[in-house]
Amino acid sequence: GIQVEQSPPDLILQEGANSTLRCNFSDSVNNLQWFHQNPWGQLINLFYIPSGTKQNGRLSATTVATERYSLLYISSSQTTDSGVYFCAVERTGGFKTIFGAGTRLFVKA
Amino acid sequence: NAGVTQTPKFQVLKTGQSMTLQCAQDMNHNSMYWYRQDPGMGLRLIYYSASEGTTDKGEVPNGYNVSRLNKREFSLRLESAAPSQTSVYFCASTMVDDSPLHFGNGTRLTVT
Repeated sequence: GIQVEQSPPDLILQEGANSTLRCNFSDSVNNLQWFHQNPWGQLINLFYIPSGTKQNGRLSATTVATERYSLLYISSSQTTDSGVYFCAVERTGGFKTIFGAGTRLFVKA
Repeated sequence: NAGVTQTPKFQVLKTGQSMTLQCAQDMNHNSMYWYRQDPGMGLRLIYYSASEGTTDKGEVPNGYNVSRLNKREFSLRLESAAPSQTSVYFCASTMVDDSPLHFGNGTRLTVT
């Protein structure tokens, strides 16, 4: 099956810093999504981004499908950005959305 | 608009007991999914239903059964619970296979 690798596994930032999270995948995909799991366990969809670039406030994401990777940018990080960020992909021709292991982010005040 | 609703929120079972986790969505979505999340890990797909009347196995289906009762509801059943099934279970839905996933708030299950 398709493999999804996220890096780094853990990240500690000072409030106000910027960061880049990476997601590599091993096969062509129909779609790619980024999720944030907050400290209460809720999963929030940040971006649906099978290709190209999208921005939402301080967050932006870029997917280069031909090179099989996606990047999530967090600018001017805030303590509320803490949690786990997941990348999830659906292989071309399938219905299964598969998750990476996540990047655990802690933003210090 | 409630979105995806899961019940119960918490459950403790003894080994060998059975239970059904309920999931309902009010967004008129076609596809529904059950995932489990173990500590420090990503989500693993248990079963999914691409449309009403169909179900298929995901990555980790052993020990589980599902029922797509109607377009709104998708239940997950543990026939004989085992400690290895201690996990947080998430239900999700989507309109079609190329649209965003929407998640419920999860069910935390402990099997002793």
